[in-house]
Amino acid sequence: GQQLNQSPQSMFIQEGEDVSMNCTSSSIFNTWLWYKQDPGEGPVLLIALYKAGELTSNGRLTAQFGITRKDSFLNISASIPSDVGIYFCAGSALNRDDKIIFGKGTRLHILP
Amino acid sequence: GAVVSQHPSWVICKSGTSVKIECRSLDFQATTMFWYRQFPKQSLMLMATSNEGSKATYEQGVEKDKFLINHASLTLSTLTVTSAHPEDSSFYICSARIVGSWGRGQPQHFGDGTRLSIL
Repeated sequence: GQQLNQSPQSMFIQEGEDVSMNCTSSSIFNTWLWYKQDPGEGPVLLIALYKAGELTSNGRLTAQFGITRKDSFLNISASIPSDVGIYFCAGSALNRDDKIIFGKGTRLHILP
Repeated sequence: GAVVSQHPSWVICKSGTSVKIECRSLDFQATTMFWYRQFPKQSLMLMATSNEGSKATYEQGVEKDKFLINHASLTLSTLTVTSAHPEDSSFYICSARIVGSWGRGQPQHFGDGTRLSIL
């Protein structure tokens, strides 16, 4: 079945640093989504991407839909303590009736 | 923004008990809701797709008789874990998609999850 490979699994950074994470898939997706999950809560949508090559920003967050439609990245600039959490990429493909598949997540830790 | 409410947020019960979890879309109508399960430090795994007025579609390996889903209205879906056992302990999360959003992969909006602990 379709799989999403998300990397890195975890990151330890200093406050103020920029962050980059990415996802690759074994097949084409028509939508890429990036979510953030805080402990004990459900995921919250950060950015949705619908077109190959699309680059979208949400405040300090920027995400891109890869031109091959098999990858996406998320960048966070000038990280702050509240950025701590788990970031999940998710994608949906036409042949799965818009169900979304989640990556395994990237755990972001910010060192004081 | 779209709000999905899930209840209860936390439940502890004895083995053999059946537990019902509700998922409501508060400010929009959702023809489709999804139920996920998440084990500690793992990703979300889709269990089933719940369609208003019809039977749920279960993912491979998910027992439909164990996890009963009812989607009686455009704003409410319920998941009942029947005869729950300790291995059913997990974080269950629902999501909903806005009506009329077919064909563009409209984002799902998630509830805050229900932590189920079976003793």
